[in-house]
Amino acid sequence: NAGVTQTPKFRVLKTGQSMTLLCAQDMNHEYMYWYRQDPGMGLRLIHYSVGEGTTAKGEVPDGYNVSRLKKQNFLLGLESAAPSQTSVYFCASNHGLAGSYEQYFGPGTRLTVT
Amino acid sequence: AQSVTQLDSQVPVFEEAPVELRCNYSSSVSVYLFWYVQYPNQGLQLLLKYLSGSTLVESINGFEAEFNKSQTSFHLRKPSVHISDTAEYFCAVYTNAGKSTFGDGTTLTVKP
Repeated sequence: NAGVTQTPKFRVLKTGQSMTLLCAQDMNHEYMYWYRQDPGMGLRLIHYSVGEGTTAKGEVPDGYNVSRLKKQNFLLGLESAAPSQTSVYFCASNHGLAGSYEQYFGPGTRLTVT
Repeated sequence: AQSVTQLDSQVPVFEEAPVELRCNYSSSVSVYLFWYVQYPNQGLQLLLKYLSGSTLVESINGFEAEFNKSQTSFHLRKPSVHISDTAEYFCAVYTNAGKSTFGDGTTLTVKP
């Protein structure tokens, strides 16, 4: 049981390039989330999904797109990277069951945009 | 809307000393509270949670937190810390659709 995995672990992009971050979970969770973590700012929610085929905007969605074509995968895309998107990105998931409120996190992707 | 304030951004402490990491929340609905821990270069892990029942909740590695409704607080404590407790700690409050609002984090540094 691998839990939540993220690919890649590190990436360096030039301004204007595009990339996709992949998140996968093997716990059959309904809900999945993408966060970014910046020093002194905690975790900020980018987008989330409450089930296969659904997506919704979080707190800081601009410049990002997501897709949830399969229940176990949640993709985060950057169409035209900017230096302001330099951050550590975390994926998380949640059962989606009543009474189950905690999130399970992946190990993170460190992205640098130059 | 729910929000979380962690009152200390950094807490340095000597090994075997007690520690308290402070968290205040605001919520207009039922309150579900969490503490997560993040070790260097890792993702967050659940440390403990309060959903209902006893206001004092404990983790397997000696941390405890007390839900105080009147003071809207959920402070994290440990009577004797170890070097291995050095990490960043996040307080969070559940909002809806499985989402939580996280505080800005407290960096606990345990010195020998």
